[in-house]
Amino acid sequence: AQKITQTQPGMFVQEKEAVTLDCTYDTSDPSYGLFWYKQPSSGEMIFLIYQGSYDQQNATEGRYSLNFQKARKSANLVISASQLGDSAMYFCAMREGRVLGGSNYKLTFGKGTLLTVNP
Amino acid sequence: DTGVSQDPRHKITKRGQNVTFRCDPISEHNRLYWYRQTLGQGPEFLTYFQNEAQLEKSRLLSDRFSAERPKGSFSTLEIQRTEQGDSAMYLCASSTQAEYYEQYFGPGTRLTVT
Repeated sequence: AQKITQTQPGMFVQEKEAVTLDCTYDTSDPSYGLFWYKQPSSGEMIFLIYQGSYDQQNATEGRYSLNFQKARKSANLVISASQLGDSAMYFCAMREGRVLGGSNYKLTFGKGTLLTVNP
Repeated sequence: DTGVSQDPRHKITKRGQNVTFRCDPISEHNRLYWYRQTLGQGPEFLTYFQNEAQLEKSRLLSDRFSAERPKGSFSTLEIQRTEQGDSAMYLCASSTQAEYYEQYFGPGTRLTVT
């Protein structure tokens, strides 16, 4: 089974509107972290936001917020007030297990969603 | 903070040749990761170092691939006897040892095997 599923290959949004990018995950580990990265056409992966499995509140970073629904195993990214520069690929990723104590450090990524912001 | 750098940015090679990529992590980061990204896919984990020790290798890393991180600073990824299926973007990332951490990625090396 896919550990990270992003069901939207592509999304379109009008400038200044909000958009939600979907991400569902699969893990049996009670301790995990969820990340969103942005990859512009230049290729570099840019970290956007992080949510820990034990975090009680949804993470927010400026115009980015993460809608974390633990029971549904979903971690959707919400971008408010979209800008033309937001056009890029967006990847959801998961780290399973606690970092301290020598468990898993690697990130498992989804296939991504291509966001296009229209003027 | 100069970020993670990778060299070269692009490499075109003929099948059967050996290639080597270099990654320079953020200076205070003791963890370094290599990922491979093919067209239309997310990055896939290849290997990970903590300081100079290579602690985990993916089964994607065949015996033609070798990675090193001498002295716990920069890292190299070598592919021997390249195949067309090795064509991909090779991404390097680094992070600190904090409980919560993000991995900072470099710009990647795009390999084309002809």
